[in-house]
Amino acid sequence: DAKTTQPTSMDCAEGRAANLPCNHSTISGNEYVYWYRQIHSQGPQYIIHGLKNNETNEMASLIITEDRKSSTLILPHATLRDTAVYYCIVRVHGSGNTGKLIFGQGTTLQVKP
Amino acid sequence: DAGITQSPRHKVTETGTPVTLRCHQTENHRYMYWYRQDPGHGLRLIHYSYGVKDTDKGEVSDGYSVSRSKTEDFLLTLESATSSQTSVYFCAIGGVGASGANVLTFGAGSRLTVL
Repeated sequence: DAKTTQPTSMDCAEGRAANLPCNHSTISGNEYVYWYRQIHSQGPQYIIHGLKNNETNEMASLIITEDRKSSTLILPHATLRDTAVYYCIVRVHGSGNTGKLIFGQGTTLQVKP
Repeated sequence: DAGITQSPRHKVTETGTPVTLRCHQTENHRYMYWYRQDPGHGLRLIHYSYGVKDTDKGEVSDGYSVSRSKTEDFLLTLESATSSQTSVYFCAIGGVGASGANVLTFGAGSRLTVL
């Protein structure tokens, strides 16, 4: 699976959009980009995933560059409850996929009042 | 959360004693996983299961064994606990959906302290 690089930490003002970047320059054509987050002391929570098109759900939007070497997770109106560690993971789909995910260090997002 | 329960949630034990953590699901998912989380290391995969009696090693499997005798239960055993196994252990279920997506649901965690 391709390696990802994320900033260690970021701050965001409450009510503003939080834009979390992720670099995955070695991503291959059949690898998807996943985002999970972990609020303090809780288990990680799935947010969103995508292949090459931009994706949006009730939690966030995922913007993947045309060359797929980087992506951005957008929380449109961050709240204090969005303070968490955000993990960007790339994973291949297809036969033999055991579903296991390998987590990196992630980005600690601090939403401030 | 989504039909996944870990027990015990907290345990303190002594070095050399056996410990078993249980993960129970009511979702009938094929895949189950055990992770540990330590400061400075993030989440690391210990073992996973892709069916009853089908298990495989993850990144940090030394000192751990697992068993899955039925779909709903995945047990993690430390045969002889050591202080280095003090950690928070997370179970996850899910894995590969119809689209092939890796959507895991995690339990609340089990905090183990080995003295």
